[in-house]
Amino acid sequence: SAVISQKPSRDICQRGTSLTIQCQVDSQVTMMFWYRQQPGQSLTLIATANQGSEATYESGFVIDKFPISRPNLTFSTLTVSNMSPEDSSIYLCSAAAGVYGYTFGSGTRLTVV
Amino acid sequence: GENVEQHPSTLSVQEGDSAVIKCTYSDSASNYFPWYKQELGKRPQLIIDIRSNVGEKKDQRIAVTLNKTAKHFSLHITETQPEDSAVYFCAAIRETSGSRLTFGEGTQLTVNP
Repeated sequence: SAVISQKPSRDICQRGTSLTIQCQVDSQVTMMFWYRQQPGQSLTLIATANQGSEATYESGFVIDKFPISRPNLTFSTLTVSNMSPEDSSIYLCSAAAGVYGYTFGSGTRLTVV
Repeated sequence: GENVEQHPSTLSVQEGDSAVIKCTYSDSASNYFPWYKQELGKRPQLIIDIRSNVGEKKDQRIAVTLNKTAKHFSLHITETQPEDSAVYFCAAIRETSGSRLTFGEGTQLTVNP
């Protein structure tokens, strides 16, 4: 199955700044996904990233706040822009790995102070 | 869109007992149903999945059953062990281009030694 490397694993950031999270997949995948997970809660989809097209954002999430890049079939980035304490969360990327289902990166624990 | 409900939200069992977690879904066209286990501070890991062309799938102590008519599916863990303690998420998807997983709210399973 696909293996996803995600970094950074954690960061503490000042409000008003931006953080870019990277995910590298060890095989080519068509679709990648970005989730946010608050402690003790389920996964909330932020957007779907397809190579060669703009990301598709879920209700409540906008490109200006969460710009996404997908330059090729093995890599994607999510930027959390102009951060506030409410953005403190765990961010996870995921990829559809064919018959092996959907796999996840190890997550980025973001704290905004 | 798809809506997935998961019950119970917490489940406590004695070691060696069985545990059952149930999910219902709303989109009758959904055809892929994975289950994920998430240990504290770690990424969700796929533990078993089922497609709509079968009614049951088993892998050692873990089994999943699917009732397409009633639109519900269940995770069964037999002979539970303390290391089974984690949060379990069900999910559903209609596997077409551009589709994405919809997750249940999660079940915190505690296996008491």
